Parts: sequence; C-alpha cells; structure tokens
Amino acid sequence: DGGITQSPKYLFRKEGQNVTLSCEQNLNHDAMYWYRQDPGQGLRLIYYSQIVNDFQKGDIAEGYSVSREKKESFPLTVTSAQKNPTAFYLCASRGGWYNEQFFGPGTRLTVL
Amino acid sequence: AQKVTQAQTEISVVEKEDVTLDCVYETRDTTYYLFWYKQPPSGELVFLIRRNSFDEQNEISGRYSWNFQKSTSSFNFTITASQVVDSAVYFCALSDTNRDDKIIFGKGTRLHILP
Repeated sequence: DGGITQSPKYLFRKEGQNVTLSCEQNLNHDAMYWYRQDPGQGLRLIYYSQIVNDFQKGDIAEGYSVSREKKESFPLTVTSAQKNPTAFYLCASRGGWYNEQFFGPGTRLTVL
Repeated sequence: AQKVTQAQTEISVVEKEDVTLDCVYETRDTTYYLFWYKQPPSGELVFLIRRNSFDEQNEISGRYSWNFQKSTSSFNFTITASQVVDSAVYFCALSDTNRDDKIIFGKGTRLHILP
C-alpha cells in the first residue's frame, strides 16, 4: 500500500539529547514537509523539501535540522537547542498537479 | 499575507443534527487552493477536499458538503445527520500557487458529536 510512515509513534527522551524522527513515503512524491502541533493549536511548518538534496526553513526551524538524501526519506532531528520540544510531529508529502498534502500518522515526542 | 480563520474553537452537537464549520481566509492571490482536513483522535490528518479559486461550485459527498463563496472569502463545511464517528478536529487550509507550495492551516475546530 502506498503511504507515509512515521516511526516511532511515541518517543521519550531526556532533556539535552538530540533525537531523530523518521518519515518515509512510497508515493513517489517530490515534496515533503515537517509540521509541529501543540495541544489546541494548528500546524506550524518546521522544514520542507521540494526536491532531493534541497530543503528550506519553515516558520519555526530553530532547534531543528533535516536532510533529504533520498526521495523517499525526510528525517527530522530535534536538537538540544530546541527549547520546548515536547509536541506532536507530523510529516507530509505532496506530489502531482495539485497542492494537497498527505500526512503520516505522526510521532508524539515527550522530553523528560 | 495569507491567513485562515476558524472562529469556532469547539462545537458540540447531538448525533443526527446538522453542523456547519466556518472558515474565512485572506489572500492577495487570485489563484489559490482551499482544503479541509479531518484529524481524528488517532492524530493523522485525513484529506477531505480541495477547491481551487476558479471553481465556486458547491460540492456534496455523502453527508459532507462544502460552500465556497469568494465574495465573503469563506469556505464552510457542513455535516448533515452527524454521527459519533464525525467527532474530530477539522482544519481548513489555504495554499497559493507560489513555487514553495506551502499550506497555511487554520487553528482547527474541535467537533464533539454526542450520542
């Protein structure tokens, strides 16, 4: 089945540790996105990539880093510089003629 | 600047009632797309509909219908004969046709369908 996978679903880390969230898609989409969602809030864009080996900062990129070495994969690293990393993280991809994005199941990160 | 406003933070209705979720948008572009997404308790966002700025026809899909009015910059979503499974957070979103293809999301409306 085509889709977007994110792993793990729940992630716990100690404060000060870097952590990498996985996002893989087999939809052959060119563009991929990372969003952060806090309770009762909408989605805020962290980073996005429209093509392999290229990515741009979104609205809240500070404290995060990404790579896009393969079309299928767009991992997000939450660094120790991110002051409030506990949140729900959603990955999305877009392909084809239209602008809608398709989302993965999300990773809930809790920093203790 | 682009902006999406969902003024209803939370709505509760009894099952089988109809409910309308409001969405008002702002954009300077003449060509843009509007979307609705559903986020059930599991967390994954589910794409429901796309509408481009040149198509003001209303759309109906089963119990769901959408009313797009450019004159009032609104793209409202109605659920007819609501069901408990409709309980979720619903997001309205806007994208222009710039090269960056970013989507701007509203803050969402949490819908509770009471049995």
